[in-house]
Amino acid sequence: DTAVSQTPKYLVTQMGNDKSIKCEQNLGHDTMYWYKQDSKKFLKIMFSYNNKELIINETVPNRFSPKSPDKAHLNLHINSLELGDSAVYFCASSQQGTNYGYTFGSGTRLTVV
Amino acid sequence: SQELEQSPQSLIVQEGKNLTINCTSSKTLYGLYWYKQKYGEGLIFLMMLQKGGEEKSHEKITAKLDEKKQQSSLHITASQPSHAGIYLCGADTGGNTGKLIFGQGTTLQVKP
Repeated sequence: DTAVSQTPKYLVTQMGNDKSIKCEQNLGHDTMYWYKQDSKKFLKIMFSYNNKELIINETVPNRFSPKSPDKAHLNLHINSLELGDSAVYFCASSQQGTNYGYTFGSGTRLTVV
Repeated sequence: SQELEQSPQSLIVQEGKNLTINCTSSKTLYGLYWYKQKYGEGLIFLMMLQKGGEEKSHEKITAKLDEKKQQSSLHITASQPSHAGIYLCGADTGGNTGKLIFGQGTTLQVKP
């Protein structure tokens, strides 16, 4: 069983399109995150939800909108995609108050052409 | 804001050699995490350090957090091709949000 699963794994789309990435975790964790990894492998946090409540919202264009229907799911919707949005997007989850760090999904490689 | 600097950025070693990767923080570290990433995969948790002077080992990988809690090192003994990948350090920024910031990563190649 995959602990944190993201779909799709690869996404190629044209500029201006709207796309969504889905994430689900079966670990019972209460917090989920979206990170963006650029071409230089630098990993930067975008959003975090704790029990469906948004707790971290970094400086991210408002074309990016996260949605958490329940604490096991955190989706990322991106409007009007731009070339600079091309990156690998990682979902992660953790349990607040523990020191076990995050469990990461395998990533979604988004390519905007 | 807190920043993490990793060195070296990339490393090529011969199988069997030892190596060290460093992670230096601009502020005191309250929790330091080491992860490994293979191409096309997510990050795998290696270990977490919290106390100054703490040292943890997993198989042939040892991580230390220095006494002043602003630097951590990851040491691999007798490297193997399976150790190849990107190693990232992550720091808990406090504030009880669970937010981690990451260094830029160190890419390790191990030549057979």
